[in-house]
Amino acid sequence: NAGVTQTPKFRVLKTGQSMTLLCAQDMNHEYMYWYRQDPGMGLRLIHYSVGEGTTAKGEVPDGYNVSRLKKQNFLLGLESAAPSQTSVYFCASSPHIPGANVLTFGAGSRLTVL
Amino acid sequence: AQSVTQLGSHVSVSEGALVLLRCNYSSSVPPYLFWYVQYPNQGLQLLLKYTSAATLVKGINGFEAEFKKSETSFHLTKPSAHMSDAAEYFCAVSDRDGGSQGNLIFGKGTKLSVKP
Repeated sequence: NAGVTQTPKFRVLKTGQSMTLLCAQDMNHEYMYWYRQDPGMGLRLIHYSVGEGTTAKGEVPDGYNVSRLKKQNFLLGLESAAPSQTSVYFCASSPHIPGANVLTFGAGSRLTVL
Repeated sequence: AQSVTQLGSHVSVSEGALVLLRCNYSSSVPPYLFWYVQYPNQGLQLLLKYTSAATLVKGINGFEAEFKKSETSFHLTKPSAHMSDAAEYFCAVSDRDGGSQGNLIFGKGTKLSVKP
């Protein structure tokens, strides 16, 4: 009964390096999301997916790319990391209930960009 | 456009006292409303949601919230605070008509401290 699993939990990068955050869910949810959480800013949506093979931009998509090749996985990539991307990243998934989606969150991935 | 405003980034109460966390929303259509809780170093988890049935919604851990359309509010309350309630609380809104895929718009959060 894992729910939503994020890897890695912690990562330190240098400016310009690339990395990928992996999110896996075992609940057969259609929707998946990537958020970032910064102090005093709440959660802001980066990208989301409404099904395998589909992705869409959220509120703050610049500097990130995503892929959903398999229904259970949602990858978040940083091609050239910047200090402004230092944040805690949360993946979430939900069943398809238009407008009333209840999200299940992962435990978060803390990224520091030096 | 939808938005959520949480009044007070920090709230401190004594153990046993009333907890009141305020949330006001802005939406062009009647919304769905949610409260999530985040304990330290964890992800968010759902406390309760309003989806158009009773306006007083009961959630987990003794929390409840009341939807007041005239005040565009969805305040979270608990009659008696417990030390284990110390956490950050987020109010969120989504479109009833499924706009933006029903994506949630989160408030900036209110950190609740409970004093012994």
